[in-house]
Amino acid sequence: KNEVEQSPQNLTAQEGEFITINCSYSVGISALHWLQQHPGGGIVSLFMLSSGKKKHGRLIATINIQEKHSSLHITASHPRDSAVYICAVRGSNDYKLSFGAGTTVTVRA
Amino acid sequence: DTEVTQTPKHLVMGMTNKKSLKCEQHMGHRAMYWYKQKAKKPPELMFVYSYEKLSINESVPSRFSPECPNSSLLNLHLHALQPEDSALYLCASSRNGRVKNEQFFGPGTRLTVL
Repeated sequence: KNEVEQSPQNLTAQEGEFITINCSYSVGISALHWLQQHPGGGIVSLFMLSSGKKKHGRLIATINIQEKHSSLHITASHPRDSAVYICAVRGSNDYKLSFGAGTTVTVRA
Repeated sequence: DTEVTQTPKHLVMGMTNKKSLKCEQHMGHRAMYWYKQKAKKPPELMFVYSYEKLSINESVPSRFSPECPNSSLLNLHLHALQPEDSALYLCASSRNGRVKNEQFFGPGTRLTVL
């Protein structure tokens, strides 16, 4: 079983809809990352969280350390938000990131 | 400058070729990483350099040879690769290896081994 589980695996939304992606993890962590990858492209770091909530433009990330759960929300979604969104966690004493399998988001115009 | 750059963007090589991938950052970061990503899979860590010293090698075959000539540059030398090594190779950097530092990723090199 992967240490990091994401849901859903795939998500299709109409432009303007509110999107939520979930991430659950099973280990103690020092930080959780949300990453974005466009098809064939490199990875962009969206957020790094260790507690609470962060907002950047239309993106909001929250984390609940007690429940070992994080969500990424996209408000007023746009076709350019179509990408794979990856949750990754870093253990307490570790260089390594453990990655979720990713959520493929498609936003239709 | 908040970028990690990688060259080349695409590389096609035969199994007997020797080639190198390059990664550069000018953010003053002292930890640099190589990842391999196969299609529709998450990245897999290959190597970590911390203060120009190799600190993690995730049991990567010796046909992949990393090098960190200075704090801004990271190379990955390739020799006698196999077709299954075809993948996206991603470089990343962070301020240092401490667990709370964010990793910044480059755009990747798409490698095809014929």
